This record gives sequence, C-alpha cells and structure tokens, in this order.
Amino acid sequence: EPEVTQTPSHQVTQMGQEVILRCVPISNHLYFYWYRQILGQKVEFLVSFYNNEISEKSEIFDDQFSVERPDGSNFTLKIRSTKLEDSAMYFCASTYGTGWNQPQHFGDGTRLSIL
Amino acid sequence: DQQVKQNSPSLSVQEGRISILNCDYTNSMFDYFLWYKKYPAEGPTFLISISSIKDKNEDGRFTVFLNKSAKHLSLHIVPSQPGDSAVYFCAASLIQGAQKLVFGQGTRLTINP
Repeated sequence: EPEVTQTPSHQVTQMGQEVILRCVPISNHLYFYWYRQILGQKVEFLVSFYNNEISEKSEIFDDQFSVERPDGSNFTLKIRSTKLEDSAMYFCASTYGTGWNQPQHFGDGTRLSIL
Repeated sequence: DQQVKQNSPSLSVQEGRISILNCDYTNSMFDYFLWYKKYPAEGPTFLISISSIKDKNEDGRFTVFLNKSAKHLSLHIVPSQPGDSAVYFCAASLIQGAQKLVFGQGTRLTINP
C-alpha cells in the first residue's frame, strides 16, 4: 500500500539554525498538510497546500515557517530560525481530494529537537 | 483550543470484549469525523470516518457512532484484539475548504490477554 514517507526520522539542530523537513506524499495525492505534536500535547494543524499554494495556515505557522513543493514528489517544511519551542514531532499528510471518504494519510513523522 | 475532547486518557479492556472510545466536540460546524490509531514511533493511521449526514458507519470490527445533538461520537471495537493496543485519536473537520483536522488528545487503549 502506498505510504507517505518523511526524512529524517530525527533531526537535532542548534537554536537559531534553519531546518528543512522533507516529505514524499503518496504519488497521486493533490492536497498536502503539515501537523506537529509537542510532547504530551495534541496533534496541531500547521498548514495545508494545494495547487502550489497555501490554502490554509494556523496561527503557529508564522513568518519563520514556509512550505514548498520543489518538484513533483517532495513537499518540504522549512523553519528559518529555530526556537526551543519548535521541538516537536512533525507529521506530513496527504490526500487525493477533499470531501467525505478522502481521509488524510500520515507519514511516521520527524522528531525535531532544538538545543 | 478544546474543540475536540477525549476525556479518557486511557482505557483497559480484556481481549475479546468490546472497547468503546469516546469523543466530544463543541463546534457544530464540523461535518466530517475520523478516528486514527497510532503506535509508538509511527504516524497516525486512518481507521474509519463518518460524515455528519450519517449516525453510524461500520468497517469490520470497527463501528463509529455519531450523535449530532449531543456532539458526541464513539468508536466501538469488537472483539478487541491485542494488536488493537495503541493510542486512538478522534479528529474532526469541515468538509469544505482545506479540511484541516482538529484532533482530540488521544486515548491509550490497552488490550489485556
């Protein structure tokens, strides 16, 4: 069964450094998402992306965050200047379409640790 | 943000019995509800969903019930199996637009032999 893949599985970065988290969504999917889960807290929506543009973003997704689909397969999340509070699990998700019976499929996540 | 709540952080059930996981929501605009299962070091895996025009959806051992007037949904697993031990997340979204998911806190289900 096709799956969403995320790399790296664990990223350790110094505070203030830039980090790029990578995702390869399921190949025929058209809608892409990033979520994060801070340890002990809920999974939170960050951003959705469709047709090469952001369709919705949360309050968390400020100017330090950006997303890109640089080619036909990858979907990236960049954090320009990381902060301690950016430490979390970051999940990428994708779906073919929106509507009922179009659930989002998640990758296994990247654990981001900011030192 | 307490739009979706799972009030039971954990649940322990004997193998073969029924597991019932509960979820409440406050936003009456939500019209699509999903359950995800999560093992450690893995991402959430989609289990089953229900639209707001239905009150029940069944898929094998899993059934989701939706009570719109009470803003409550539940997931029934019967019979429960050891492999069902995981964290279960309830999520909700609006069917229109980007369909961002709003998650509950999760319930850790343990199936005892």
